[in-house]
Amino acid sequence: GIQVEQSPPDLILQEGANSTLRCNFSDSVNNLQWFHQNPWGQLINLFYIPSGTKQNGRLSATTVATERYSLLYISSSQTTDSGVYFCAVCTYSGAGSYQLTFGKGTKLSVIP
Amino acid sequence: DARVTQTPRDKVTEMGQEVTMRCQPILGHNTVFWYRQTMMQGLELLAYFRNRAPLDDSGMPKDRFSAEMPDATLATLKIQPSEPRDSAVYFCASGLEAAGELFFGEGSRLTVL
Repeated sequence: GIQVEQSPPDLILQEGANSTLRCNFSDSVNNLQWFHQNPWGQLINLFYIPSGTKQNGRLSATTVATERYSLLYISSSQTTDSGVYFCAVCTYSGAGSYQLTFGKGTKLSVIP
Repeated sequence: DARVTQTPRDKVTEMGQEVTMRCQPILGHNTVFWYRQTMMQGLELLAYFRNRAPLDDSGMPKDRFSAEMPDATLATLKIQPSEPRDSAVYFCASGLEAAGELFFGEGSRLTVL
């Protein structure tokens, strides 16, 4: 199956700092999503981004599908950005079935 | 505010008991997924439905797990009998189309003693 690798696994930031999270995948994908799992365990949709660049406030994402990677940028980080960021790729698994495969996540801690 | 609803939020049970988790997908969504999250394995796909038909349940232990969609507004995941290794957070997600954006519920945290 497809491999999804996220880096770095852990990241500690001072409030106000910027960061870039990376997601590499081993094969072609139908789409890609970024999620934020907050400290309460909720999976929050950040971006649905099969290709190109999108921005939402302090967050932006870029997917270069031909080179099999996606980047998530967080600018002016806040303590509420803490949690785990997951990249998930959608692939066709046969017989009309698709599946979303998750990376292991990047655990972000933003300290005041 | 459309969202995926899961019940129960928390469940503590004893080994050997039957557990049923329920999910109400977002109205109009025709794909439903069940995922399990553990510290060791991360997020794993258990089952996938489209238009209420099961298309992929290869990630699910068949001897004790079963997943169904009795109607378009309800998906169920049943474990019988439950074992301590089933302790995890179980997420349901729904989407509008086969390879489209997925939205997750808040999860059901299961503890089997």
